[in-house]
Amino acid sequence: SQTIHQWPATLVQPVGSPLSLECTVEGTSNPNLYWYRQAAGRGLQLLFYSVGIGQISSEVPQNLSASRPQDRQFILSSKKLLLSDSGFYLCAWRGVGELFFGEGSRLTVL
Amino acid sequence: QKEVEQDPGPLSVPEGAIVSLNCTYSNSAFQYFMWYRQYSRKGPELLMYTYSSGNKEDGRFTAQVDKSSKYISLFIRDSQPSDSATYLCAMRTSGSRLTFGEGTQLTVNP
Repeated sequence: SQTIHQWPATLVQPVGSPLSLECTVEGTSNPNLYWYRQAAGRGLQLLFYSVGIGQISSEVPQNLSASRPQDRQFILSSKKLLLSDSGFYLCAWRGVGELFFGEGSRLTVL
Repeated sequence: QKEVEQDPGPLSVPEGAIVSLNCTYSNSAFQYFMWYRQYSRKGPELLMYTYSSGNKEDGRFTAQVDKSSKYISLFIRDSQPSDSATYLCAMRTSGSRLTFGEGTQLTVNP
């Protein structure tokens, strides 16, 4: 069966520091992968999606970037975090049916 | 105007009550309709998936789609405290990415 792993689960970072969130999917090959952000009390905002290695589409211009160095690995990064980057970040893959999400990474920027 | 509107709640009901969660949408091209359940500090999990109009039942859960009214519902019978979560509706056309509602927070009181 397919599983999706996301880490770290929680992190607190100072403004201006870098960020790296990782996501891996097991049990499938060449999945479509997604990064979403969920602000408190708000819906899901699609940040990036990828249909294959090295292929990244950005939905919203922002302080973040994404990379897909391997087939089942998706990374969300920032060189310098802003306060507004705080939120709950979710990685997802597109399976038969619909999107399946990881457990999320809660980022607090202070 | 948002493509998908969902009453944010919060909704609080006693154990055993029938719960009705609803979303309206404006894009008549939407064909695939989903409900996700999200427990606090966790990623959303796919709960129900329906195509086009009609009802789909799974245990205590019933998903209903009325395309003529652009309205979808999720009914929970005999609600349990373990049903306490945020419920997100989501929908898409045949070739598009998912559009999410902002979620309804539900609390079932013992």
